[in-house]
Amino acid sequence: DQQVKQNSPSLSVQEGRISILNCDYTNSMFDYFLWYKKYPAEGPTFLISISSIKDKNEDGRFTVFLNKSAKHLSLHIVPSQPGDSAVYFCAVNKGGKLIFGQGTELSVKP
Amino acid sequence: EAGVAQSPRYKIIEKRQSVAFWCNPISGHATLYWYQQILGQGPKLLIQFQNNGVVDDSQLPKDRFSAERLKGVDSTLKIQPAKLEDSAVYLCASSLWLAGGTSYEQYFGPGTRLTVT
Repeated sequence: DQQVKQNSPSLSVQEGRISILNCDYTNSMFDYFLWYKKYPAEGPTFLISISSIKDKNEDGRFTVFLNKSAKHLSLHIVPSQPGDSAVYFCAVNKGGKLIFGQGTELSVKP
Repeated sequence: EAGVAQSPRYKIIEKRQSVAFWCNPISGHATLYWYQQILGQGPKLLIQFQNNGVVDDSQLPKDRFSAERLKGVDSTLKIQPAKLEDSAVYLCASSLWLAGGTSYEQYFGPGTRLTVT
């Protein structure tokens, strides 16, 4: 059973537009959520996180939104740049252990 | 600051052979993790160490996988004997750790891509 789901395997966006990546989770007890970015042949790198006491966290072009009632989080990238093309994983921190979604491959076209 | 180091980067073996992966975490990071990432899936935790003790190995297939972290620094992950379904990228990560179960961000190494034929 997947506790963290990313239902879109891929997303294509034009440079300068907004990219929205979505993630759903099953357990309302999860209280810390993260987004990681992964380039080919590299390990995932931390991008942004949010605690369940907040509903929004912003860092430059990246904003994460958390909807606890819907058990849904999303990552917004504005404006999108070609260098943002990568696989994005959402994850929940459960006692120090990360549980990852399947990933969404973002392609930003010039 | 040096990142998490892993070796080898790539390995091809035949089924039923054995293989070992090595990880050197970021200096001062007490917690070390091994993840398995199968193509098209997210990383899945295999084992978590706190210093040289095992915190969680509930998803480690212990009949064929073993891991150790001697002296609380470097770690090795071994598979013996390998099966075709073990083909994956094996990622090592490390983090600081706070008492009470809170952890800092995990930093990942580049991974070892294993192909079992």
